[in-house]
Amino acid sequence: DAGVTQSPTHLIKTRGQQVTLRCSPKSGHDTVSWYQQALGQGPQFIFQYYEEEERQRGNFPDRFSGHQFPNYSSELNVNALLLGDSALYLCASSLVGRPQETQYFGPGTRLLVL
Amino acid sequence: GQSLEQPSEVTAVEGAIVQINCTYQTSGFYGLSWYQQHDGGAPTFLSYNALDGLEETGRFSSFLSRSDSYGYLLLQELQMKDSASYFCAVSHNQGGKLIFGQGTELSVKP
Repeated sequence: DAGVTQSPTHLIKTRGQQVTLRCSPKSGHDTVSWYQQALGQGPQFIFQYYEEEERQRGNFPDRFSGHQFPNYSSELNVNALLLGDSALYLCASSLVGRPQETQYFGPGTRLLVL
Repeated sequence: GQSLEQPSEVTAVEGAIVQINCTYQTSGFYGLSWYQQHDGGAPTFLSYNALDGLEETGRFSSFLSRSDSYGYLLLQELQMKDSASYFCAVSHNQGGKLIFGQGTELSVKP
């Protein structure tokens, strides 16, 4: 049973650039959520995708956008990168309609903005 | 506002029992989850409570009191590999966003 996978594992960008991160959900899952985790902090919710639409959004600017594909995989795009965007970006997947089900996380993409 | 409070650090010895508390103040509540994270790796799901009471999964148990907005994670027979950060997280609806606490760093000493 394949778990959540993310690519790339590490990424270095400079201020002002744009970045795209990718996520494949756990087999059988249909919902993908993205989180940002700064060093020493808990993950912060960015947004969630279900049925190829943004279902919920956290307190992040419009520079953060996403997409979900028909195969349930997802992308996170960040435009006009700032130094403060340096963080671990985590993808989590879940299945709608499973009341005892929670979210399962991928290994993350570590983004460094210089 | 919404907040979750948990101790920043806990230290215990191998073989002991440790309890990590979590109190929450959120605008809505559906369930409380617990995650383990080693050194910036993937948070790993440990336990979930939607109803009051105790849930047991092997060496780990989690408790919830909705009336007190309080929960805890209990780790028994501690092992060195249990040294990690532990996060509580609240969900407002089934499958919805998780709001995380700041994490508790557990150090297990020999």
